[in-house]
Amino acid sequence: GENVEQHPSTLSVQEGDSAVIKCTYSDSASNYFPWYKQELGKRPQLIIDIRSNVGEKKDQRIAVTLNKTAKHFSLHITETQPEDSAVYFCAASSNYKLTFGKGTLLTVNP
Amino acid sequence: DVKVTQSSRYLVKRTGEKVFLECVQDMDHENMFWYRQDPGLGLRLIYFSYDVKMKEKGDIPEGYSVSREKKERFSLILESASTNQTSMYLCASSSLGYEQYFGPGTRLTVT
Repeated sequence: GENVEQHPSTLSVQEGDSAVIKCTYSDSASNYFPWYKQELGKRPQLIIDIRSNVGEKKDQRIAVTLNKTAKHFSLHITETQPEDSAVYFCAASSNYKLTFGKGTLLTVNP
Repeated sequence: DVKVTQSSRYLVKRTGEKVFLECVQDMDHENMFWYRQDPGLGLRLIYFSYDVKMKEKGDIPEGYSVSREKKERFSLILESASTNQTSMYLCASSSLGYEQYFGPGTRLTVT
């Protein structure tokens, strides 16, 4: 089955800096790669996703890149703000089933 | 707005009890999922269902069963609760477009 590795497990940045979270996956058939944000005590919510026919996607301060050859994808957050502090999960899917990474706790220090 | 609800936010049960967790979605989604979330382990799939009365095992199905008698409702059953099933349980639903919408979660404590 699919295996998703996510790094780092914790990340601390200063407000205004950029943050990058990286994931690798094992199943070459995976074709959908979402990123979820989970604030403390709340449910995970989709923030951005990318499909395998696209190499990069951007939405305001967040962007995701995908390298299918290397089987890795990354989340980039620019100009970080304290409200970006949360746990971020990457996931990969080859059908409607998602396999999640273990999560990254991002802390943005004011 | 997609709405996924779960029957309880917090639940405390004794070892050996039968436990029912219910999930309801209001968007006519075909797919429904049950995950458990533990610190440092991320979200792990227990079971999922792609249609009424259809179910498939996820990565950690041992000790759990599920029921989907109606499209909008997906139940997770712990036949005989054990302390190692103390966890946060999250339900999710999706249509064929892959994005999963999560419920608020049920924090289950088994004593």
